[in-house]
Amino acid sequence: DTGVSQNPRHKITKRGQNVTFRCDPISEHNRLYWYRQTLGQGPEFLTYFQNEAQLEKSRLLSDRFSAERPKGSFSTLEIQRTEQGDSAMYLCASSVGLIPYGYTFGSGTRLTVV
Amino acid sequence: AQKVTQAQTEISVVEKEDVTLDCVYETRDTTYYLFWYKQPPSGELVFLIRRNSFDEQNEISGRYSWNFQKSTSSFNFTITASQVVDSAVYFCALSEIDSWGKLQFGAGTQVVVTP
Repeated sequence: DTGVSQNPRHKITKRGQNVTFRCDPISEHNRLYWYRQTLGQGPEFLTYFQNEAQLEKSRLLSDRFSAERPKGSFSTLEIQRTEQGDSAMYLCASSVGLIPYGYTFGSGTRLTVV
Repeated sequence: AQKVTQAQTEISVVEKEDVTLDCVYETRDTTYYLFWYKQPPSGELVFLIRRNSFDEQNEISGRYSWNFQKSTSSFNFTITASQVVDSAVYFCALSEIDSWGKLQFGAGTQVVVTP
């Protein structure tokens, strides 16, 4: 598989529950990004990893959000105490090198908080 | 402040018509990258093109063409002889050299092609 893989594809959760999403980037890509896309909008940057180091976090990423990339491979995005406003598509992307070559997005995880 | 503006929310055309999507960007960097992505109803973002700020040569790929003009900070996208399969949301995005590769997207333009 040469693409970016995200699991699950869909997640429905009750308000207040915790959820975790997983992203498996293209194997040789050292950079990994998380974005959030709400209905009718373009994706918005959340956070970025270079190898295992989280180098930037958007102000959109509240304290309830945490992301990890252990060993510089797959990444997880956890949302604690979900709120209805967290309902969105969460997209992962990976790339390689100093400039954004090969920037590839996964299919996303659609989160619905009820 | 919005750095990428796609003023057209939705464009409807009949099959075989040409359609041009506008993208205006704002940056102080001299080195940057511009992208176009297609998002069909399935939701996945499909890469169409990447262009760096030093390459103003227009590009054509099949029925797709792009017009990059630094003087007007625009990177417009034209679909020639549109087809129903072109129906999707199209996003323009900017990556600035000091932003570690993160993309700043416009709000997108919905293209509807009817038979």
